[in-house]
Amino acid sequence: QKEVEQDPGPLSVPEGAIVSLNCTYSNSAFQYFMWYRQYSRKGPELLMYTYSSGNKEDGRFTAQVDKSSKYISLFIRDSQPSDSATYLCAMIPTGGGNKLTFGTGTQLKVEL
Amino acid sequence: DTAVSQTPKYLVTQMGNDKSIKCEQNLGHDTMYWYKQDSKKFLKIMFSYNNKELIINETVPNRFSPKSPDKAHLNLHINSLELGDSAVYFCASSQDGEQYFGPGTRLTVT
Repeated sequence: QKEVEQDPGPLSVPEGAIVSLNCTYSNSAFQYFMWYRQYSRKGPELLMYTYSSGNKEDGRFTAQVDKSSKYISLFIRDSQPSDSATYLCAMIPTGGGNKLTFGTGTQLKVEL
Repeated sequence: DTAVSQTPKYLVTQMGNDKSIKCEQNLGHDTMYWYKQDSKKFLKIMFSYNNKELIINETVPNRFSPKSPDKAHLNLHINSLELGDSAVYFCASSQDGEQYFGPGTRLTVT
């Protein structure tokens, strides 16, 4: 079993929908949580970076961390076709330096 | 301006060959990484260097050898390539936690 689990999808939604992407993890030492977006044949790009529990909002994106449930989410409001990509969650434990552990990614398709 | 660049973008080679991938970053970051992404898109760290010093060395066959000539460059040399080495290899750099990835090198071993 992997340390970080994500539903691989694909997840297909109509344009304008609210999208919810989720990760669960097993290591309670994870303290730093990130979401990356990866377009086909490109490198991952950092979308959101949060520390510990709570919410963080940036434009149409909201990251939510629930450490008690070992569960993180990324919400995308008013989804656009340009949001079609693979979304990867990633985490670093306390004292883990810069060693990211990634989820397997969820493929999202936003259709017109 | 490209922040993290890699060469080559594509690499097709036969089993048993030795090949190198190069990475350069112009962000002034101290830390650089190599990741491997398999066919299922799972991204796993292989190595990390901080200011030319190896700080992360995951369980990777010793056929893989990273080299950092200076803090802006990190190369990956692979000896005796195997079919299972086929993957996309990403270089990344970071300062203060946020990692920036290069465009990837798609390696195909035939």
